[in-house]
Amino acid sequence: AQSVTQLGSHVSVSEGALVLLRCNYSSSVPPYLFWYVQYPNQGLQLLLKYTTGATLVKGINGFEAEFKKSETSFHLTKPSAHMSDAAEYFCAVILNRDDKIIFGKGTRLHILP
Amino acid sequence: DAGVIQSPRHEVTEMGQEVTLRCKPISGHNSLFWYRQTMMRGLELLIYFNNNVPIDDSGMPEDRFSAKMPNASFSTLKIQPSEPRDSAVYFCASSLYGTAYSGNTIYFGEGSWLTVV
Repeated sequence: AQSVTQLGSHVSVSEGALVLLRCNYSSSVPPYLFWYVQYPNQGLQLLLKYTTGATLVKGINGFEAEFKKSETSFHLTKPSAHMSDAAEYFCAVILNRDDKIIFGKGTRLHILP
Repeated sequence: DAGVIQSPRHEVTEMGQEVTLRCKPISGHNSLFWYRQTMMRGLELLIYFNNNVPIDDSGMPEDRFSAKMPNASFSTLKIQPSEPRDSAVYFCASSLYGTAYSGNTIYFGEGSWLTVV
């Protein structure tokens, strides 16, 4: 069973436009949620994470994500895209406190000039 | 601060040869992970260690793959014999106290790009 689903393997937005990358998870208990970014020829690095507390989480490079329990979602947004945001983005989840992190398939973000 | 260090960054080898990938985790981290990334299957967890002990190796594809962590600062992933379908990027990552404690961040190395011809 797929625990984390990223809608759209490729997303294209114009420079300056809103970035929205979608992530949904399957869990009956509150999960820990993460967004990682992978730039070309590099490893993954953490953008932001939600564990407890405020459901709107701010990360690096102007990105933020909101945990919506009713929608089982953790979508990633940025108000204005920059060319440097072109990368692959991975949503990840820990479903149980003793379980391992599970990564989504990734969404490649393309920025159009 | 030094991050997770992997070597080699790139390896091209012939089918049937032994391949050894190396990893030095961030100092003080006691959990280490090996991931494989391919276009077809995305990012897969192969094995992870806590305090040098393998905790979950269910992702290791077959007996040709083995991983060791002889001490807190070094780990290897070995493929013997290698096959073309093993071509992938292999990432090592480390964190504090595994993945479950307070959602600790996993730090990734830059990867080892393996091509088996």
